Amino acid sequence: EAGVAQSPRYKIIEKRQSVAFWCNPISGHATLYWYQQILGQGPKLLIQFQNNGVVDDSQLPKDRFSAERLKGVDSTLKIQPAKLEDSAVYLCASSPSTGQTEAFFGQGTRLTVV
Amino acid sequence: GQNIDQPTEMTATEGAIVQINCTYQTSGFNGLFWYQQHAGEAPTFLSYNVLDGLEEKGRFSSFLSRSKGYSYLLLKELQMKDSASYLCAVRDNTGGFKTIFGAGTRLFVKA
Repeated sequence: EAGVAQSPRYKIIEKRQSVAFWCNPISGHATLYWYQQILGQGPKLLIQFQNNGVVDDSQLPKDRFSAERLKGVDSTLKIQPAKLEDSAVYLCASSPSTGQTEAFFGQGTRLTVV
Repeated sequence: GQNIDQPTEMTATEGAIVQINCTYQTSGFNGLFWYQQHAGEAPTFLSYNVLDGLEEKGRFSSFLSRSKGYSYLLLKELQMKDSASYLCAVRDNTGGFKTIFGAGTRLFVKA
């Protein structure tokens, strides 16, 4: 079974530029999560989708971050414009449902904003 | 809201036993996860507890007390490869199921 795929693995941009990350969850998984993990901290939930609907985006900085999950499969997370404090690893995870199941994580995208 | 506390770092010796504690406060508790994360890698699932008691899985065990808002992860027969961060995560069902992570405990296993 293929895991959660993310791209790119690494990205370096200048502040005020835009960047987009892509995630392909495990086939059949209805729930998709985007987490931000700053070095030395635990993952922070940015947004959670159930199919193509948003379950929670309370910690998504909506003035600069946006995410979509068209057709309830792949998802993209965009930052526009980026700030220095956005430097982090962006982890995508999926699970079969929002029930009592663990999440499977992708390798993440390491973003450096200079 | 949610609050999850775990020690920042721990050090233990190869072959020994180590217990990593986690305390949490949440309004809609619906289970607790432990994940392992090696440096530069994604978190991987270790255990899930929703009822009180001990769940054993090989060298790893996880305990939950819902009344105390407390869990621990027990690692036995430590190996060097167990050096990693251990993340406590709570599932909250307030307004839809969400999994919230603690900051993690970095475990260093020394020879």
